Amino acid sequence: NAGVTQTPKFQVLKTGQSMTLQCAQDMNHEYMSWYRQDPGMGLRLIHYSVGAGITDQGEVPNGYNVSRSTTEDFPLRLLSAAPSQTSVYFCASRGPGGTSGNTIYFGEGSWLTVV
Amino acid sequence: SQKIEQNSEALNIQEGKTATLTCNYTNYSPAYLQWYRQDPGRGPVFLLLIRENEKEKRKERLKVTFDTTLKQSLFHITASQPADSATYLCALVRGSQGNLIFGKGTKLSVKP
Repeated sequence: NAGVTQTPKFQVLKTGQSMTLQCAQDMNHEYMSWYRQDPGMGLRLIHYSVGAGITDQGEVPNGYNVSRSTTEDFPLRLLSAAPSQTSVYFCASRGPGGTSGNTIYFGEGSWLTVV
Repeated sequence: SQKIEQNSEALNIQEGKTATLTCNYTNYSPAYLQWYRQDPGRGPVFLLLIRENEKEKRKERLKVTFDTTLKQSLFHITASQPADSATYLCALVRGSQGNLIFGKGTKLSVKP
């Protein structure tokens, strides 16, 4: 059981380039989300999805796009990378039972540097 | 706006002592609160969940309390070990979709 898998682990981008961070989970979870973690800022929610075909914005969505064509995959797209998007990105999924407090499982993170 | 604060960026204690971490929140009444552990270079890992109608929850050497009047949760690690050294995050649920908002974390160092 792989859990939540993120790729790539590390990436360096030039300003203005676009890229996609991949996230896949094999637990059949409906809820998936993307966070970014910056020093002194904690984890902040970028986008989330409650099921295939349904996505919504979190706290810091600007500059990012998401889609959810399957239950397993939730890619995060950076449209035109900026140095302010240098961060560690975490994908997460939540177990069944809706919002009643089930465990959130995190991936191992993707370290992104924009130069 | 809703705020969640962990009052210490870092906490250093001696092995065998009890570590106590604090999480305070304002402008909010969460249905439950969660605690996570994060090791350097890794993703957060779920430890415990406590609901608003629960005063205390235990799991092995871990204990969490939840005081909705004080708007505070305390996280205790008894008989601490160097292997407990990590950053600990508290998180509250927000909104109908169950999204979590996180504190900035407390970095715990347990010295032998």
